[in-house]
Amino acid sequence: DQQVKQNSPSLSVQEGRISILNCDYTNSMFDYFLWYKKYPAEGPTFLISISSIKDKNEDGRFTVFLNKSAKHLSLHIVPSQPGDSAVYFCAASVNSWGKLQFGAGTQVVVTP
Amino acid sequence: DTGVSQDPRHKITKRGQNVTFRCDPISEHNRLYWYRQTLGQGPEFLTYFQNEAQLEKSRLLSDRFSAERPKGSFSTLEIQRTEQGDSAMYLCASSLGRQGWTDTQYFGPGTRLTVL
Repeated sequence: DQQVKQNSPSLSVQEGRISILNCDYTNSMFDYFLWYKKYPAEGPTFLISISSIKDKNEDGRFTVFLNKSAKHLSLHIVPSQPGDSAVYFCAASVNSWGKLQFGAGTQVVVTP
Repeated sequence: DTGVSQDPRHKITKRGQNVTFRCDPISEHNRLYWYRQTLGQGPEFLTYFQNEAQLEKSRLLSDRFSAERPKGSFSTLEIQRTEQGDSAMYLCASSLGRQGWTDTQYFGPGTRLTVL
């Protein structure tokens, strides 16, 4: 039962433009959401998170938006840089801690 | 803060052999998690510890898998009688584990297991 879904397996964006990654979830008990970035042969690196009491969280070039009614969150990267090329995973947990459920990931390629 | 470390980074073994992986969490992190990732998928939860207590195990964790965290510091994950389907990246993560606070997990580099 895939409770966290990333329906776009890949995204190509030009350097300097905005990257928008989407994530949908089905479990209404999720209340903490995280985005991780992963390079090949490395572990996921934490990027940014958001609690369900908020609808937006910003950290530098990264902004996460949460729409609880739609059970949808998105990650905006502005401006996109070549070093952003990686796989991005959306993850969620219940009660703000405990095991994470991950989406399948979105491969982002930033082109010059 | 040296981050989460895992050893070995790569392991190639023959079917039927036993393997053991080690994870050292970030110091002062009370929680330690094990995940498994296969190609094209996100990490899947296997088990986690609060200090030395194993609090939850996934149905993915068959009886061939066992995990320990004997002193609440490092953890080991052992797979007995490996099968080709065990080939995956095994990821360890740790977190502060403070109840009432949002709890961010930080991952290690993973151990890539190949079962021939």
